[in-house]
Amino acid sequence: EPEVTQTPSHQVTQMGQEVILHCVPISNHLYFYWYRQILGQKVEFLVSFYNNEISEKSEIFDDQFSVERPDGSNFTLKIRSTKLEDSAMYFCASSARQSTNYGYTFGSGTRLTVV
Amino acid sequence: AQKVTQAQTEISVVEKEDVTLDCVYETRDTTYYLFWYKQPPSGELVFLIRRNSFDEQNEISGRYSWNFQKSTSSFNFTITASQVVDSAVYFCALSEANEARDDKIIFGKGTRLHILP
Repeated sequence: EPEVTQTPSHQVTQMGQEVILHCVPISNHLYFYWYRQILGQKVEFLVSFYNNEISEKSEIFDDQFSVERPDGSNFTLKIRSTKLEDSAMYFCASSARQSTNYGYTFGSGTRLTVV
Repeated sequence: AQKVTQAQTEISVVEKEDVTLDCVYETRDTTYYLFWYKQPPSGELVFLIRRNSFDEQNEISGRYSWNFQKSTSSFNFTITASQVVDSAVYFCALSEANEARDDKIIFGKGTRLHILP
């Protein structure tokens, strides 16, 4: 069964450093998402991406965050200057069609620890 | 606005007991999707079920069953004859199926389920 692949599984970074989280969505999916889960809390929507641009973003997704699809297969989340409160599990997801949730699939997550 | 409420923060039951996890949702859309995900200690999100708002038929999958009641905006999840491996955090979630908007998923806060041997 097709999977959404996220790398690395765990990343430790120093406060103030830039970090890039990598995701390879399912190949025929067109819609891409990032979610965040602070330890012990609920999963929160960050951003959605379609047709090479952001289609929606949450209040969490401020100027420190950016997303990119650099080569047609990868989908990255960049945090420019990490803060301690950015420590969380970050999930990538992709879906085939908007508004049907057809084949909506989550990756296994990247655990980001900011020290 | 969309909202998902899981009032039970934590539940403990003894193995082989049945347990029901409650979920209440709010949405203004007439077409939407409801989900349940399991998050084991390893952290990944394991998809359990997706239900279309037009399909109110209850579903059973092995020891798992789901009761969708549109009249009370609830989508409860029951595990029959629970096992220790069912111990996890369970999230109920909602997505609006509106062509003009994105289909982001809104999660509840989760219910941590402990199955005691």
